[in-house]
Amino acid sequence: QKEVEQNSGPLSVPEGAIASLNCTYSDRGSQSFFWYRQYSGKSPELIMSIYSNGDKEDGRFTAQLNKASQYVSLLIRDSQPSDSATYLCAVNLGGYNKLIFGAGTRLAVHP
Amino acid sequence: SAVISQKPSRDICQRGTSLTIQCQVDSQVTMMFWYRQQPGQSLTLIATANQGSEATYESGFVIDKFPISRPNLTFSTLTVSNMSPEDSSIYLCSSDRADRSYNEQFFGPGTRLTVL
Repeated sequence: QKEVEQNSGPLSVPEGAIASLNCTYSDRGSQSFFWYRQYSGKSPELIMSIYSNGDKEDGRFTAQLNKASQYVSLLIRDSQPSDSATYLCAVNLGGYNKLIFGAGTRLAVHP
Repeated sequence: SAVISQKPSRDICQRGTSLTIQCQVDSQVTMMFWYRQQPGQSLTLIATANQGSEATYESGFVIDKFPISRPNLTFSTLTVSNMSPEDSSIYLCSSDRADRSYNEQFFGPGTRLTVL
């Protein structure tokens, strides 16, 4: 069973702080990793993708990948109330063109 | 990102009936995917639809219950057949993009289905 694990939260952070979201996956053959943001009642929106070990930055978002530890994280700097949403981690299995999603972490940024 | 539309956006259906959901992409894409998101849960892949071939279904999903069509490179349909209240869910289609990184998927707005 291929699994993607996330802490369901809620993760509560004050406005302006760094929010750290974590995800682990079970299949060592996984090749690409994604973070989606989903607002209540809306569909998932792709915000970050990462393929190589290390960090990838895009604006206030940084994705971190450690394949040896089978771990991927998302950091949100200067968190804003508008960042309050559920963040879904998704993993693409090597050789298969499909995504396995984690259960999602609900983030609440309070003023 | 790809612009993906779905119809209907929501529907309320009676037990035992069927509903066909349409998914339209604004550009030609290789892969289209159908997901289900049950209340309060994450996304579960139902099937992958390639143009010109039979859809590939995930474990727990069968063609008789969820027939899929993919008549061209911009369009797909998912039918939820012989519905029961357990089929109440959000159904989402997604696609990859030829001009984007490998395996990035973009989602349509979803179809919220309620079965009475």
